[in-house]
Amino acid sequence: AQKVTQAQTEISVVEKEDVTLDCVYETRDTTYYLFWYKQPPSGELVFLIRRNSFDEQNEISGRYSWNFQKSTSSFNFTITASQVVDSAVYFCALRGYGGGTASKLTFGTGTRLQVML
Amino acid sequence: KAGVTQTPRYLIKTRGQQVTLSCSPISGHRSVSWYQQTPGQGLQFLFEYFSETQRNKGNFPGRFSGRQFSNSRSEMNVSTLELGDSALYLCASSFTGTVAGSNTGELFFGEGSRLTVL
Repeated sequence: AQKVTQAQTEISVVEKEDVTLDCVYETRDTTYYLFWYKQPPSGELVFLIRRNSFDEQNEISGRYSWNFQKSTSSFNFTITASQVVDSAVYFCALRGYGGGTASKLTFGTGTRLQVML
Repeated sequence: KAGVTQTPRYLIKTRGQQVTLSCSPISGHRSVSWYQQTPGQGLQFLFEYFSETQRNKGNFPGRFSGRQFSNSRSEMNVSTLELGDSALYLCASSFTGTVAGSNTGELFFGEGSRLTVL
């Protein structure tokens, strides 16, 4: 069975602070995909990144960066110089490789990030 | 490129009624998935459709059903509504890759249909 754990329920930071959202996963699959989604108050889940299990290279996109460590089954997300617009709930998710039963996303419980002025 | 469109956005029903929710995927996407989001259970997978066939199903009772049409649009239906069915229902579409039938694409979600059961 697959499982995603986001231990941080809620984080509050002051604008311009850096913040890291933790994600730990469990899977028996040797090939899988990891995702991060952002959910603003409107409800839509906004895709941020997809990482393949066979590609451990870290990625940076503007103020966002992701650290994938297969050895510790973690896929952490860092926002540098946070802004009020970053306030949202962030979900980490896991998905198997292939069609059929591998096609569903298993989500963590989410981390609510509040960025204050 | 238009995103995933879900209708209606909000609806209120009473116990025992049924409801149908609609989802139009991104053009060219053939896979449509449905998720239920509640404060207590979080995001849970309902089912996935690909080329009008249900490919995967989550652990929900038979009151929850869905279908997909030839244009990839999808509907989900919940019959005999219960108070616990109150939730945000999210639809997601993806472009299914062709490498060994694998779905290599990320899911793009709509804004959801918020159902309240009284």
